[in-house]
Amino acid sequence: SQQGEEDPQALSIQEGENATMNCSYKTSINNLQWYRQNSGRGLVHLILIRSNEREKHSGRLRVTLDTSKKSSSLLITASRAADTASYFCATDKSGGSNYKLTFGKGTLLTVNP
Amino acid sequence: DTAVSQTPKYLVTQMGNDKSIKCEQNLGHDTMYWYKQDSKKFLKIMFSYNNKELIINETVPNRFSPKSPDKAHLNLHINSLELGDSAVYFCASSPRFGLAGFRDEQFFGPGTRLTVL
Repeated sequence: SQQGEEDPQALSIQEGENATMNCSYKTSINNLQWYRQNSGRGLVHLILIRSNEREKHSGRLRVTLDTSKKSSSLLITASRAADTASYFCATDKSGGSNYKLTFGKGTLLTVNP
Repeated sequence: DTAVSQTPKYLVTQMGNDKSIKCEQNLGHDTMYWYKQDSKKFLKIMFSYNNKELIINETVPNRFSPKSPDKAHLNLHINSLELGDSAVYFCASSPRFGLAGFRDEQFFGPGTRLTVL
């Protein structure tokens, strides 16, 4: 079964509004990462949060991690049309001998001008 | 300069053919990966190499054979292509491997869209 599941699957907002995306996972992790994928392009790393961290900020991005609930959220504040993309969470399972990221299905964010 | 590059960007071929996708990274990373992204955008790891050695093979059919001539290159050769192989294939790299508890972000190439007719 899939490790990461994002919700909502699709989100449409107006420019200037905040966008919140959630990710749930099933097993213990070392870290959780968020990536962005613009249409027809490769994934771009946004932010990494380790299992012993609860919140992290980077510019207009805020990520939270609740390991007791096995969930994370990505908040994009003051959204712009250029934020339109798919957003994926990816988890690195703890206890594994090899580094492997497992990706969720993604949230398609549309920011309308 | 492109950090992770893939060629070709588009590949259209007939069922049963053999094709290769090339990947190069100029970041000096030790670890490289191949991912497959299906039509529903689900991204799944296929292979991982660390310093030219295979470390992850996610039950990918034998028709897929990765080759790493050096740590900056990881090519993917696919034999006897099938319709279900149609997808976008992404190469990625990361700077460190296996440090317990501290893994690193991955840098992705632009993808190769493979269409099997």
